[in-house]
Amino acid sequence: KQEVTQIPAALSVPEGENLVLNCSFTDSAIYNLQWFRQDPGKGLTSLLLIQSSQREQTSGRLNASLDKSSGRSTLYIAASQPGDSATYLCAVSYGANNLFFGTGTRLTVIP
Amino acid sequence: NAGVMQNPRHLVRRRGQEARLRCSPMKGHSHVYWYRQLPEEGLKFMVYLQKENIIDESGMPKERFSAEFPKEGPSILRIQQVVRGDSAAYFCASSPRVSLGTGELFFGEGSRLTVL
Repeated sequence: KQEVTQIPAALSVPEGENLVLNCSFTDSAIYNLQWFRQDPGKGLTSLLLIQSSQREQTSGRLNASLDKSSGRSTLYIAASQPGDSATYLCAVSYGANNLFFGTGTRLTVIP
Repeated sequence: NAGVMQNPRHLVRRRGQEARLRCSPMKGHSHVYWYRQLPEEGLKFMVYLQKENIIDESGMPKERFSAEFPKEGPSILRIQQVVRGDSAAYFCASSPRVSLGTGELFFGEGSRLTVL
């Protein structure tokens, strides 16, 4: 069974700190992995997409890594800002018609 | 280029009524996906459609739920005889590509259904 787990479920950090969000998946035969951001009452915004052949992707202060063999991905956020407060979702594709989502990490950055 | 448009954004229904949720994909996208997010749970795949075809409905409940994506107009997710357990956020996503192996999904802002 394909399951995606995210820990921690919630995280609070003071502004300016660097932080890491974790995602693990049980079936390592993935095609790609995406990190999304979800603001309260809003839809999902794609942050980074890592193909299975890649080790990491970077966009601004965000860096996502992928270790297929261990079934893990991390999202690193540098110099966090209050505007980064949101729920971060990890989703895995196995090349078929659907994504498998984790339950998310709710991040609060305290000014 | 407008994003994925969903309406209504909020819908309140009484038990036994019908709910219809609409989704217009991004321009140029012919692949539509519906996901459901129950309170405190992750998003779960429901159905994948292309124009006039249901490709994969493995995540759809067997009864009361149906989806369509006609040749003209938006995709519609229909829930008949709603129950309280149907209260959730329903998200639509679209993609320009057949396989999610290489492409991204673009999500709408969701339709939040509350069943009284």
